[in-house]
Amino acid sequence: KNEVEQSPQNLTAQEGEFITINCSYSVGISALHWLQQHPGGGIVSLFMLSSGKKKHGRLIATINIQEKHSSLHITASHPRDSAVYICAVRGGGADGLTFGKGTHLIIHP
Amino acid sequence: DVKVTQSSRYLVKRTGEKVFLECVQDMDHENMFWYRQDPGLGLRLIYFSYDVKMKEKGDIPEGYSVSREKKERFSLILESASTNQTSMYLCASSLWGGGAPGKAFFGQGTRLTVV
Repeated sequence: KNEVEQSPQNLTAQEGEFITINCSYSVGISALHWLQQHPGGGIVSLFMLSSGKKKHGRLIATINIQEKHSSLHITASHPRDSAVYICAVRGGGADGLTFGKGTHLIIHP
Repeated sequence: DVKVTQSSRYLVKRTGEKVFLECVQDMDHENMFWYRQDPGLGLRLIYFSYDVKMKEKGDIPEGYSVSREKKERFSLILESASTNQTSMYLCASSLWGGGAPGKAFFGQGTRLTVV
């Protein structure tokens, strides 16, 4: 069973700061997801990665397969980025995702 | 856009009741999943299904069952609701093809309270 560790658990920053959230996993995977959950429960899938780097707007996700590590970066952070960010990994089969416990991000104006 | 729709946002049920949580997706996805989310524990997989009438237990299947009679619909059943099943329940779906897992799409969640 894969163990997924996220850090930090909680992060508070000022508007405009560069944010990094980290995710490590213990067993080789076929894909890693970064998810965003806003208050009220709705979850949005931000990225799905199996190698390299992806960028979407101010969000960048990277993955290092050899080191079993991924990072989510937010450039020029904004209060609307405040949410819980969750890392999830999938193995090679059809089974469900294994989730990290999430990083609670608050961006102050 | 893919839509994953859960039948209720909020539910309050009594201990011992049989509870049905419904999930429908509109993109012909093979895989469907039910998770519960609890503070401090994160998201945990209850059951998943990779085809009609197929189901597999996840990490915490006790007290739950599922039904997938049609590809687009995956139901979670609490046979006899208990207070420790008070939680946020999330449904998800994804494509499956050629060994490459697809992006996961989530429903809006159902907050179930068992009293």
